[in-house]
Amino acid sequence: NSKVIQTPRYLVKGQGQKAKMRCIPEKGHPVVFWYQQNKNNEFKFLINFQNQEVLQQIDMTEKRFSAECPSNSPCSLEIQSSEAGDSALYLCASSRGVTSGNTLYFGEGSRLIVV
Amino acid sequence: AQKVTQTQTSISVVEKTTVTMDCVYETRDSSYFLFWYKQTASGEIVFLIRQDSYKKENATVGHYSLNFQKPKSSIGLIITATQIEDSAVYFCAMREGDQGGRALIFGTGTTVSVSP
Repeated sequence: NSKVIQTPRYLVKGQGQKAKMRCIPEKGHPVVFWYQQNKNNEFKFLINFQNQEVLQQIDMTEKRFSAECPSNSPCSLEIQSSEAGDSALYLCASSRGVTSGNTLYFGEGSRLIVV
Repeated sequence: AQKVTQTQTSISVVEKTTVTMDCVYETRDSSYFLFWYKQTASGEIVFLIRQDSYKKENATVGHYSLNFQKPKSSIGLIITATQIEDSAVYFCAMREGDQGGRALIFGTGTTVSVSP
């Protein structure tokens, strides 16, 4: 079973609505990644954190998506104004360290449907 | 540019047999890390096995093993003695270099169906 906990498993939003997903990384993992997986099994990297600090993020994340990993609270990814194209599986992953040799461990994902 | 390609869309096998999946990658880095994950029907992505580019020996974990052919930029996954529960989508992924925060780059997956 996943040790990375993502909630909710499913969310349905209307266009223009906010959609918020949460992630509790595996214990002892200070690095968190968010990915979007579309229906064609394509993974898009969105943003990553080391503790509370953003390491990298793509343009899409900077504009309509907001994310944070506050101390002693779950990480979150929020879409400010949902669009149909945002319908996807949002995956959170965590790792022990920031370097590339560290394995990412994933949660079960939050499936967003925008109607 | 970094890229991971899985050309096999789906494979069907009978249980207790061996299945082999292909994956080729592109990178300019001399140091990189290769991973295989499987995604179950529930959506959960499970880490299976990894190969570090500087290691010559093929990695093996349980009934998973890798066929690492560095000159061909190829990292195949071999599953022996398949079980019904091995039915899943298998993803190959790569992380380049040893710099902080590099994202994992995925292929588009191979669906494996194991039948009785």
